[in-house]
Amino acid sequence: SAVISQKPSRDICQRGTSLTIQCQVDSQVTMMFWYRQQPGQSLTLIATANQGSEATYESGFVIDKFPISRPNLTFSTLTVSNMSPEDSSIYLCSVEAGYGYTFGSGTRLTVV
Amino acid sequence: SQQGEEDPQALSIQEGENATMNCSYKTSINNLQWYRQNSGRGLVHLILIRSNEREKHSGRLRVTLDTSKKSSSLLITASRAADTASYFCATKLTGGGNKLTFGTGTQLKVEL
Repeated sequence: SAVISQKPSRDICQRGTSLTIQCQVDSQVTMMFWYRQQPGQSLTLIATANQGSEATYESGFVIDKFPISRPNLTFSTLTVSNMSPEDSSIYLCSVEAGYGYTFGSGTRLTVV
Repeated sequence: SQQGEEDPQALSIQEGENATMNCSYKTSINNLQWYRQNSGRGLVHLILIRSNEREKHSGRLRVTLDTSKKSSSLLITASRAADTASYFCATKLTGGGNKLTFGTGTQLKVEL
Protein backbone atom coordinates (compact mmCIF):
# COMPACT_ATOMS: atom_id res chain seq x y z
CA SER A 1 0.00 0.00 0.00
CA ALA A 2 1.01 3.64 -0.44
CA VAL A 3 3.25 5.43 2.04
CA ILE A 4 2.62 9.11 2.78
CA SER A 5 5.15 11.56 4.14
CA GLN A 6 3.41 14.51 5.79
CA LYS A 7 5.08 17.62 7.18
CA PRO A 8 5.35 19.47 9.37
CA SER A 9 4.36 17.09 12.15
CA ARG A 10 3.44 20.00 14.40
CA ASP A 11 3.58 23.75 14.52
CA ILE A 12 2.61 26.62 16.77
CA CYS A 13 1.48 29.65 14.78
CA GLN A 14 0.39 33.19 15.49
CA ARG A 15 -3.17 34.15 14.68
CA GLY A 16 -3.57 35.86 11.34
CA THR A 17 -0.73 33.92 9.71
CA SER A 18 -0.91 30.97 7.30
CA LEU A 19 0.58 27.48 7.39
CA THR A 20 1.14 25.18 4.45
CA ILE A 21 1.06 21.42 5.04
CA GLN A 22 2.66 19.07 2.55
CA CYS A 23 1.93 15.45 1.69
CA GLN A 24 4.15 13.34 -0.53
CA VAL A 25 2.99 9.90 -1.66
CA ASP A 26 5.38 7.20 -2.82
CA SER A 27 3.14 6.25 -5.75
CA GLN A 28 0.85 8.03 -8.18
CA VAL A 29 -2.71 8.46 -6.99
CA THR A 30 -5.67 10.12 -8.61
CA MET A 31 -7.27 11.60 -5.51
CA MET A 32 -5.90 12.90 -2.26
CA PHE A 33 -8.12 13.72 0.67
CA TRP A 34 -7.60 16.33 3.36
CA TYR A 35 -9.19 15.96 6.80
CA ARG A 36 -9.43 18.05 9.92
CA GLN A 37 -9.64 16.53 13.39
CA GLN A 38 -10.57 19.02 16.07
CA PRO A 39 -9.47 18.26 19.64
CA GLY A 40 -11.18 15.14 20.96
CA GLN A 41 -13.28 14.81 17.82
CA SER A 42 -13.52 12.58 14.78
CA LEU A 43 -12.25 13.32 11.30
CA THR A 44 -14.08 15.71 9.00
CA LEU A 45 -13.31 15.80 5.30
CA ILE A 46 -12.19 19.24 4.13
CA ALA A 47 -11.73 18.59 0.43
CA THR A 48 -10.75 16.14 -2.27
CA ALA A 49 -7.74 17.12 -4.37
CA ASN A 50 -7.55 15.95 -7.98
CA GLN A 51 -4.54 16.55 -10.18
CA GLY A 52 -5.22 19.04 -12.93
CA SER A 53 -8.47 20.41 -11.56
CA GLU A 54 -9.82 22.49 -8.71
CA ALA A 55 -10.24 20.73 -5.40
CA THR A 56 -13.76 19.78 -4.35
CA TYR A 57 -14.66 21.26 -0.97
CA GLU A 58 -17.12 19.87 1.54
CA SER A 59 -19.88 21.93 3.04
CA GLY A 60 -18.49 24.41 5.53
CA PHE A 61 -15.04 24.63 3.96
CA VAL A 62 -14.02 27.24 1.38
CA ILE A 63 -11.08 27.65 -0.92
CA ASP A 64 -10.11 31.07 0.44
CA LYS A 65 -9.58 29.59 3.89
CA PHE A 66 -8.11 26.23 2.83
CA PRO A 67 -6.44 26.59 -0.57
CA ILE A 68 -5.14 23.30 -1.94
CA SER A 69 -2.55 22.61 -4.60
CA ARG A 70 -2.11 19.35 -6.51
CA PRO A 71 0.71 19.90 -8.98
CA ASN A 72 1.24 16.21 -9.78
CA LEU A 73 -0.01 12.73 -8.92
CA THR A 74 2.27 12.27 -5.89
CA PHE A 75 2.09 15.59 -4.06
CA SER A 76 -0.42 17.98 -2.52
CA THR A 77 -0.44 20.91 -0.13
CA LEU A 78 -3.13 22.33 2.13
CA THR A 79 -2.80 25.88 3.40
CA VAL A 80 -4.65 27.05 6.48
CA SER A 81 -5.04 30.78 5.92
CA ASN A 82 -5.55 33.71 8.26
CA MET A 83 -5.52 31.37 11.23
CA SER A 84 -7.48 31.79 14.43
CA PRO A 85 -7.38 29.67 17.60
CA GLU A 86 -10.42 27.78 16.28
CA ASP A 87 -8.17 26.33 13.56
CA SER A 88 -6.16 24.46 16.18
CA SER A 89 -6.58 20.86 15.06
CA ILE A 90 -4.82 17.89 13.57
CA TYR A 91 -4.79 17.98 9.78
CA LEU A 92 -4.36 14.73 7.87
CA CYS A 93 -4.01 13.77 4.24
CA SER A 94 -5.12 10.42 2.88
CA VAL A 95 -5.14 8.35 -0.29
CA GLU A 96 -7.07 5.26 -1.27
CA ALA A 97 -4.78 2.25 -1.37
CA GLY A 98 -6.06 -1.21 -2.16
CA TYR A 99 -8.26 -2.27 0.71
CA GLY A 100 -8.83 0.89 2.68
CA TYR A 101 -7.06 4.18 2.87
CA THR A 102 -3.58 5.22 3.96
CA PHE A 103 -3.14 8.33 6.10
CA GLY A 104 -0.27 10.68 6.68
CA SER A 105 1.00 10.95 10.24
CA GLY A 106 -0.85 14.23 10.73
CA THR A 107 0.06 17.85 11.42
CA ARG A 108 -0.82 19.06 14.91
CA LEU A 109 -1.50 22.78 14.59
CA THR A 110 -1.82 25.12 17.55
CA VAL A 111 -2.81 28.72 16.90
CA VAL A 112 -2.01 31.23 19.63
CA SER B 1 -21.21 15.82 9.27
CA GLN B 2 -20.71 12.44 10.90
CA GLN B 3 -22.30 9.51 9.19
CA GLY B 4 -21.79 7.16 12.09
CA GLU B 5 -22.32 7.13 15.78
CA GLU B 6 -20.11 4.87 17.83
CA ASP B 7 -20.63 3.48 21.26
CA PRO B 8 -19.34 3.37 23.77
CA GLN B 9 -17.48 6.70 23.56
CA ALA B 10 -14.92 5.28 25.96
CA LEU B 11 -14.12 1.76 27.11
CA SER B 12 -11.70 0.61 29.78
CA ILE B 13 -10.88 -3.09 30.14
CA GLN B 14 -8.22 -5.36 31.59
CA GLU B 15 -5.59 -7.01 29.45
CA GLY B 16 -6.83 -10.34 28.16
CA GLU B 17 -10.48 -9.30 28.05
CA ASN B 18 -12.43 -8.77 24.86
CA ALA B 19 -13.43 -5.30 23.65
CA THR B 20 -16.53 -4.65 21.58
CA MET B 21 -17.26 -1.39 19.81
CA ASN B 22 -20.39 -0.60 17.87
CA CYS B 23 -21.02 1.70 14.93
CA SER B 24 -24.32 2.84 13.50
CA TYR B 25 -24.72 4.73 10.24
CA LYS B 26 -27.52 6.46 8.42
CA THR B 27 -27.46 5.83 4.69
CA SER B 28 -26.70 3.08 2.20
CA ILE B 29 -23.05 2.08 2.01
CA ASN B 30 -20.64 0.31 -0.33
CA ASN B 31 -18.38 -0.76 2.49
CA LEU B 32 -17.51 -0.03 6.09
CA GLN B 33 -13.98 0.21 7.41
CA TRP B 34 -12.40 0.31 10.85
CA TYR B 35 -9.36 2.39 11.72
CA ARG B 36 -7.14 2.77 14.77
CA GLN B 37 -5.52 6.03 15.85
CA ASN B 38 -2.79 6.16 18.46
CA SER B 39 -2.33 9.39 20.40
CA GLY B 40 -3.84 11.70 17.79
CA ARG B 41 -1.50 10.62 15.04
CA GLY B 42 -2.22 9.09 11.64
CA LEU B 43 -4.88 6.44 11.23
CA VAL B 44 -4.12 2.81 10.54
CA HIS B 45 -6.53 0.74 8.47
CA LEU B 46 -7.67 -2.39 10.32
CA ILE B 47 -10.33 -4.11 8.26
CA LEU B 48 -12.87 -3.52 5.49
CA ILE B 49 -16.23 -5.24 5.17
CA ARG B 50 -18.35 -4.92 2.06
CA SER B 51 -22.07 -4.32 2.11
CA ASN B 52 -22.76 -7.88 0.92
CA GLU B 53 -20.65 -9.41 3.69
CA ARG B 54 -21.86 -10.16 7.19
CA GLU B 55 -18.73 -11.08 9.07
CA LYS B 56 -15.01 -10.81 8.60
CA HIS B 57 -11.98 -11.85 10.63
CA SER B 58 -8.40 -10.63 10.74
CA GLY B 59 -6.18 -12.00 13.47
CA ARG B 60 -7.73 -10.95 16.80
CA LEU B 61 -10.29 -8.75 15.05
CA ARG B 62 -13.82 -9.73 14.17
CA VAL B 63 -16.15 -7.37 12.36
CA THR B 64 -19.83 -7.85 11.74
CA LEU B 65 -22.14 -5.85 9.52
CA ASP B 66 -25.92 -5.73 9.63
CA THR B 67 -27.14 -3.60 6.74
CA SER B 68 -30.78 -3.99 7.78
CA LYS B 69 -29.97 -2.30 11.07
CA LYS B 70 -27.28 -0.07 9.56
CA SER B 71 -24.82 -1.16 12.20
CA SER B 72 -21.43 -2.78 12.59
CA SER B 73 -19.39 -4.06 15.48
CA LEU B 74 -15.68 -4.52 16.02
CA LEU B 75 -14.54 -7.17 18.47
CA ILE B 76 -10.95 -7.29 19.66
CA THR B 77 -10.24 -10.56 21.43
CA ALA B 78 -7.61 -11.14 24.10
CA SER B 79 -6.79 -7.43 24.29
CA ARG B 80 -3.31 -6.14 25.00
CA ALA B 81 -2.05 -2.87 26.43
CA ALA B 82 -0.81 -2.02 22.93
CA ASP B 83 -4.43 -2.02 21.72
CA THR B 84 -4.99 1.19 23.68
CA ALA B 85 -6.06 3.69 21.02
CA SER B 86 -9.06 5.41 19.46
CA TYR B 87 -11.06 3.32 17.02
CA PHE B 88 -13.16 4.80 14.23
CA CYS B 89 -15.60 3.30 11.82
CA ALA B 90 -15.76 4.90 8.38
CA THR B 91 -18.23 4.36 5.59
CA LYS B 92 -17.96 4.62 1.87
CA LEU B 93 -21.42 5.72 0.85
CA THR B 94 -23.34 4.39 -2.11
CA GLY B 95 -23.03 7.09 -4.76
CA GLY B 96 -20.71 9.04 -2.52
CA GLY B 97 -17.64 8.73 -4.66
CA ASN B 98 -14.37 7.72 -3.07
CA LYS B 99 -14.55 9.72 0.13
CA LEU B 100 -14.92 8.25 3.59
CA THR B 101 -17.27 9.49 6.29
CA PHE B 102 -16.10 8.81 9.82
CA GLY B 103 -17.96 7.88 12.95
CA THR B 104 -17.51 9.57 16.29
CA GLY B 105 -14.95 7.08 17.60
CA THR B 106 -14.40 4.91 20.67
CA GLN B 107 -11.46 5.49 23.02
CA LEU B 108 -10.22 2.12 24.24
CA LYS B 109 -7.93 1.80 27.22
CA VAL B 110 -6.47 -1.60 28.03
CA GLU B 111 -4.97 -1.78 31.49
CA LEU B 112 -2.37 -4.22 32.72
